Amino acid sequence: DSGVTQTPKHLITATGQRVTLRCSPRSGDLSVYWYQQSLDQGLQFLIQYYNGEERAKGNILERFSAQQFPDLHSELNLSSLELGDSALYFCASSLVGQGNYGYTFGSGTRLTVV
Amino acid sequence: AQSVTQLGSHVSVSEGALVLLRCNYSSSVPPYLFWYVQYPNQGLQLLLKYTSAATLVKGINGFEAEFKKSETSFHLTKPSAHMSDAAEYFCAVVGGSEKLVFGKGTKLTVNP
Repeated sequence: DSGVTQTPKHLITATGQRVTLRCSPRSGDLSVYWYQQSLDQGLQFLIQYYNGEERAKGNILERFSAQQFPDLHSELNLSSLELGDSALYFCASSLVGQGNYGYTFGSGTRLTVV
Repeated sequence: AQSVTQLGSHVSVSEGALVLLRCNYSSSVPPYLFWYVQYPNQGLQLLLKYTSAATLVKGINGFEAEFKKSETSFHLTKPSAHMSDAAEYFCAVVGGSEKLVFGKGTKLTVNP
């Protein structure tokens, strides 16, 4: 157990729907990062939050949004889902707002859009 | 922009043989480099990291990596492969905005 908790582990939904993925960071970590892993794109950085504020944005679609709450858990919202959004979504956390010392990853949410 | 290139999407070795997984980086500043491992249906686990201290970095499970600035490389090695090492391995560098930029991964197969 890495200490980073992601729920749900699996999600199957239809095109056009909206889903919310949840992440609880490791205790004491202030930064949360979201990554998408797919066969064709590999691991793609989506977005980073540090202590409740958006810190960096990567290849995140406009249909996707995220937030970090006062208790530091984070949610990734995916809307108007398309078949191509099927992927593994990982959350990671780190103590500080820098990736310099590495992240701790959760076990991921596998999203299947049908 | 910082990036990493992993040479070889698949590597196959025999049990007990040397494991060598190659990673070259591109960075305009002294890099922070990492190797992560992903076992099937699991998240990524940090194997080791280079943060400009020693150039030879030892990690978990008997893996180590050597930072070579002249070759812009950070190859991962293990003297003797074990069946349990079968997994996908990712090299990563800290990129702009302090995020990790990952390579495309190398899938390691260990044959009995």
